[in-house]
Amino acid sequence: SQTIHQWPATLVQPVGSPLSLECTVEGTSNPNLYWYRQAAGRGLQLLFYSVGIGQISSEVPQNLSASRPQDRQFILSSKKLLLSDSGFYLCAWSALAGVSEQYFGPGTRLTVT
Amino acid sequence: GIQVEQSPPDLILQEGANSTLRCNFSDSVNNLQWFHQNPWGQLINLFYIPSGTKQNGRLSATTVATERYSLLYISSSQTTDSGVYFCAALYSGSARQLTFGSGTQLTVLP
Repeated sequence: SQTIHQWPATLVQPVGSPLSLECTVEGTSNPNLYWYRQAAGRGLQLLFYSVGIGQISSEVPQNLSASRPQDRQFILSSKKLLLSDSGFYLCAWSALAGVSEQYFGPGTRLTVT
Repeated sequence: GIQVEQSPPDLILQEGANSTLRCNFSDSVNNLQWFHQNPWGQLINLFYIPSGTKQNGRLSATTVATERYSLLYISSSQTTDSGVYFCAALYSGSARQLTFGSGTQLTVLP
């Protein structure tokens, strides 16, 4: 069966520091990968998605970037964090882009101080 | 882009009661999912239901794609059902983005 991992689970970082969040998927090949952010409140917003190694699409202009160095690894980064980057970051995967069910990881709770 | 609206925003029930959560979406969809977000933030997949009816234990869901709505039914609610319920839709004209509703906060009292 497929599993999705994220780390770290929680992170407290000062403004202006760099960021690296990692997501890995097991048990599937060539997954579509997604980064979402959930700010205080309820809604989730798609930040990035990837259909393959090195292929990244951005949905929202922001202080963040994403990379996919391996088939089942997706990384969210920032060179300099802003207070507004605080939130709950969720990675997700699906088998087929645009149609199939998406499955979410446990998330990383980021607080920028 | 697609709009996804959920109602009610908040719901408080006594244990054992039944409830219906509604999700309206503004355009044709390829994908409609229901999730339960637990207190630790994990999004748990409940149903993948772009159309039709499905049941899983005390939970069932119905999507009427032609009328652009989906319903989640919870029967004989338990305290462990508490949390936020999201529906999310993938617009037929979009390649990737699941658009989430703002959720229904369900509290089940013992």
